[in-house]
Amino acid sequence: RKEVEQDPGPFNVPEGATVAFNCTYSNSASQSFFWYRQDCRKEPKLLMSVYSSGNEDGRFTAQLNRASQYISLLIRDSKLSDSATYLCVVNKRGRDDKIIFGKGTRLHILP
Amino acid sequence: DVKVTQSSRYLVKRTGEKVFLECVQDMDHENMFWYRQDPGLGLRLIYFSYDVKMKEKGDIPEGYSVSREKKERFSLILESASTNQTSMYLCASRRFYEQYFGPGTRLTVT
Repeated sequence: RKEVEQDPGPFNVPEGATVAFNCTYSNSASQSFFWYRQDCRKEPKLLMSVYSSGNEDGRFTAQLNRASQYISLLIRDSKLSDSATYLCVVNKRGRDDKIIFGKGTRLHILP
Repeated sequence: DVKVTQSSRYLVKRTGEKVFLECVQDMDHENMFWYRQDPGLGLRLIYFSYDVKMKEKGDIPEGYSVSREKKERFSLILESASTNQTSMYLCASRRFYEQYFGPGTRLTVT
């Protein structure tokens, strides 16, 4: 099983719709979780951290399910500008304290 | 704002050439990273450094080396470039668990 797995998409979603992504991770000792956003031909940038209690930032909601080892990202009222690749990121605690990036889920918002 | 800069946005080199990719960060971060990103393969860690003159191999270090002589600067070296090293190279620095990426260098080896 890969350390961090995401559905690569693409997800083609009409503007205004709600879209959700899931990401699974294999290491139960993982401590920190994040969603990054990467626009076409640009570098990844932190979108939001994911806390055990779940967290919301405007139209974006991130949740963590430790028992099932997945994190999710929900985007409500999607905008054309939300079109991007969304990377799931997991910090694996251990000797090397490694940050693991998923391969990303591509989202296309359709007008 | 954290700023991570990379020396070139686009680079074209010939097979066998020695290539230097430079990365500079201005936030006094101790941790710096070099990744390559290829379609379908995602971000893959080449090398990282937790301090000056310190380096650790990542997942795909073969064909690469690094240098960290100053805290703010982390260089990636391709000793003898090959066509399979054509890729997007991303440098990052890290504060706690958040990584800040540079704009990337798209390297083409012909």
